[in-house]
Amino acid sequence: QQPVQSPQAVILREGEDAVINCSSSKALYSVHWYRQKHGEAPVFLMILLKGGEQKGHDKISASFNEKKQQSSLYLTASQLSYSGTYFCGTKNGGATNKLIFGTGTLLAVQP
Amino acid sequence: DVKVTQSSRYLVKRTGEKVFLECVQDMDHENMFWYRQDPGLGLRLIYFSYDVKMKEKGDIPEGYSVSREKKERFSLILESASTNQTSMYLCASSLGQEAFFGQGTRLTVV
Repeated sequence: QQPVQSPQAVILREGEDAVINCSSSKALYSVHWYRQKHGEAPVFLMILLKGGEQKGHDKISASFNEKKQQSSLYLTASQLSYSGTYFCGTKNGGATNKLIFGTGTLLAVQP
Repeated sequence: DVKVTQSSRYLVKRTGEKVFLECVQDMDHENMFWYRQDPGLGLRLIYFSYDVKMKEKGDIPEGYSVSREKKERFSLILESASTNQTSMYLCASSLGQEAFFGQGTRLTVV
């Protein structure tokens, strides 16, 4: 039932771009993206609702394709501060607030 | 500032003990969650509560129970701790969109 994320890990140099994918076997109502730095709690980045919208957050943006039950997180011109583990969370219906997270993607940005 | 507080950062318990993990939020959120985090497995939902005394099983509820007697407090109970329950446990709360996490409890069962 957990959404599947890919890749599992990615190493970048500062300034490079990355894409993290999140795929669910169930119909999605919303997709939530979080980042967790080492030793810290996960922190909310953005939410995407049914409707295929794309959202932006500085140089981090995301898209949501509800037909394919997929979301992608785009990190542009990565900075050292982007390092961490990224999780997508999904809700499968409008009536429930049950939030299921994916397997995580470890992103390491090197100087 | 929003706050989700877990009672312990580190806990060591013996096999067979009954273990209580406490979580308190100060935001009047209806929804509270317990997750466990293990390397390579991401955040797995154990239990979810959407109101006082209301709960729903997550993906891995076996060996756990929960209690929500007051809106601000959500407790995770390990009825008889086992070594395979050694993990990082994270509590979260939300109104419906952004979820706020506690700092986590690293539980070791020996």
